[in-house]
Amino acid sequence: DTGVSQDPRHKITKRGQNVTFRCDPISEHNRLYWYRQTLGQGPEFLTYFQNEAQLEKSRLLSDRFSAERPKGSFSTLEIQRTEQGDSAMYLCASSTGIGDTQYFGPGTRLTVL
Amino acid sequence: TQLLEQSPQFLSIQEGENLTVYCNSSSVFSSLQWYRQEPGEGPVLLVTVVTGGEVKKLKRLTFQFGDARKDSSLHITAAQPGDTGLYLCAGGGWITGGGNKLTFGTGTQLKVEL
Repeated sequence: DTGVSQDPRHKITKRGQNVTFRCDPISEHNRLYWYRQTLGQGPEFLTYFQNEAQLEKSRLLSDRFSAERPKGSFSTLEIQRTEQGDSAMYLCASSTGIGDTQYFGPGTRLTVL
Repeated sequence: TQLLEQSPQFLSIQEGENLTVYCNSSSVFSSLQWYRQEPGEGPVLLVTVVTGGEVKKLKRLTFQFGDARKDSSLHITAAQPGDTGLYLCAGGGWITGGGNKLTFGTGTQLKVEL
């Protein structure tokens, strides 16, 4: 069990650029979650996958955001036309569904200049 | 909208002191988790409580879930510098497909000094 991994750990981009983050969940975890955490706040739910199906999306996920989990394993989160307000830590978590304890990755810190 | 309020927001204590962090809501949760987060890292799960009135102990940490499953507390005995970090409570809520959407509190930043 190598834990949840996220790549990159840090991303600095200019306003208007597109960025993509990757999350590799714990092996055999069929559930995957994305959260966003801004400075001084707790994480906020963005979206949820069960296998390859995206089953729930938060209203925080504007049309500039898209998430995929094409083969039910790794997931990507893309932000198009980034804005300064997108600056945050993007966290990924996975679970087996048994008790649904979520294990978090180290996060991707996004800074939009 | 479900909200979780944590108190205190900040806590600075000396090594060896005891402390309690509170997590309160007007909503009922299916479960409640406590996490600790270090700067620049993701939250690390400490405990999950499910049953109203449940008490769990993890070495010097004692977690309690309120009878009505709306509130929880974390008590640390004889705090050590290694306990320093951001403590987050998170309430679970079932969503489509059996997923569990976590609603996080605002966190308690704990600093334990020598």
